[in-house]
Amino acid sequence: DAGVTQSPTHLIKTRGQQVTLRCSPKSGHDTVSWYQQALGQGPQFIFQYYEEEERQRGNFPDRFSGHQFPNYSSELNVNALLLGDSALYLCASSLGRPTYEQYFGPGTRLTVT
Amino acid sequence: DQQVKQNSPSLSVQEGRISILNCDYTNSMFDYFLWYKKYPAEGPTFLISISSIKDKNEDGRFTVFLNKSAKHLSLHIVPSQPGDSAVYFCAASGGTDKLIFGTGTRLQVFP
Repeated sequence: DAGVTQSPTHLIKTRGQQVTLRCSPKSGHDTVSWYQQALGQGPQFIFQYYEEEERQRGNFPDRFSGHQFPNYSSELNVNALLLGDSALYLCASSLGRPTYEQYFGPGTRLTVT
Repeated sequence: DQQVKQNSPSLSVQEGRISILNCDYTNSMFDYFLWYKKYPAEGPTFLISISSIKDKNEDGRFTVFLNKSAKHLSLHIVPSQPGDSAVYFCAASGGTDKLIFGTGTRLQVFP
């Protein structure tokens, strides 16, 4: 049973660039949530996708956008990267509502220089 | 505005003894609480949860206690094992689909 997978594992970008991170949910799951985890902090909710639409959003600027595909996989896009965007980006999947019990992938470590 | 707080950044416990991890919250609208465990280079792993209609939930060596009047929950691990060494996150949800996480407590279980 494949769990949540994310790609790439690590990424280094320059300020002002754009980045796309990818996530495949656990088999059978239909909902994908994205979180940002800065060093020494807990994960912070970015947004959640269900039925290819953004269902809920956290306190992140419009530079953060996403997409969900018909096979439930998802992308997180960040434009105009800032140094402060350096973090571990976690994808979590779940089934149905409420989506309390979320299963996390290993994350993508983004470094902005 | 930190709605979920884990005030102890680290905890060290001897193997076989009880580990108690604490979490406080400020939002009275939270109605579901979860604990996640995180090893280095891995994503958080769901451990145990509790609904606000209960005050205790047990799963093997792990028990979560909820005190709604004090807005406090705790995770008890008995007996603690070296493999339990990890960062533990408390998370809460309040009728929405997002989880609010604390900053984590690093548990070290030594022989």
